[in-house]
Amino acid sequence: TQLLEQSPQFLSIQEGENLTVYCNSSSVFSSLQWYRQEPGEGPVLLVTVVTGGEVKKLKRLTFQFGDARKDSSLHITAAQPGDTGLYLCAGAWGTGTYKYIFGTGTRLKVLA
Amino acid sequence: SAVISQKPSRDICQRGTSLTIQCQVDSQVTMMFWYRQQPGQSLTLIATANQGSEATYESGFVIDKFPISRPNLTFSTLTVSNMSPEDSSIYLCSVDWDRGLPQETQYFGPGTRLLVL
Repeated sequence: TQLLEQSPQFLSIQEGENLTVYCNSSSVFSSLQWYRQEPGEGPVLLVTVVTGGEVKKLKRLTFQFGDARKDSSLHITAAQPGDTGLYLCAGAWGTGTYKYIFGTGTRLKVLA
Repeated sequence: SAVISQKPSRDICQRGTSLTIQCQVDSQVTMMFWYRQQPGQSLTLIATANQGSEATYESGFVIDKFPISRPNLTFSTLTVSNMSPEDSSIYLCSVDWDRGLPQETQYFGPGTRLLVL
């Protein structure tokens, strides 16, 4: 059974600080996605990483896929209150028909 | 990207009743997924729905409890049957959107918030 563990589970930081969220598994995924979910809404896709070792940047967010495609990290530089939300990683696996396993989630609060 | 809508957005139901949740996509898609998100938790996949075939359920979810329809490439329904308070959750539909790209992409609807009394 595939499992995706995220750490930390909760994070409360001051505006302007940097942070890193980790997503770890013992399973190999064909790709990994990061989402942000705000209260009352569905998850919104931030990025998909496909290649082992791949690094993608989205403004102040940097995403990395592990070389073995088993883990990933999300780094936020100079966090802002607008970054507050639930961050979820999701791994895609399977052949032909993909399924997605979601991580345990990281709840981030950025204080002004 | 795909635009996905869900109805109802929220509901309060009595135990023992059933609720059907609708998911509408603005484009034709092959794969649709139904997830459950319990309060404060992450997402758990209930089933995968392909048009023209029976839905595939994940471990712990059965068709009698969560019947799914997929009549065409833009629409699906999930029914939560014989509800109990433990079914109180957010129910989300999503679509697989790779359009032949070498990466999988998934987009979500806004969710249906269900409270069972």
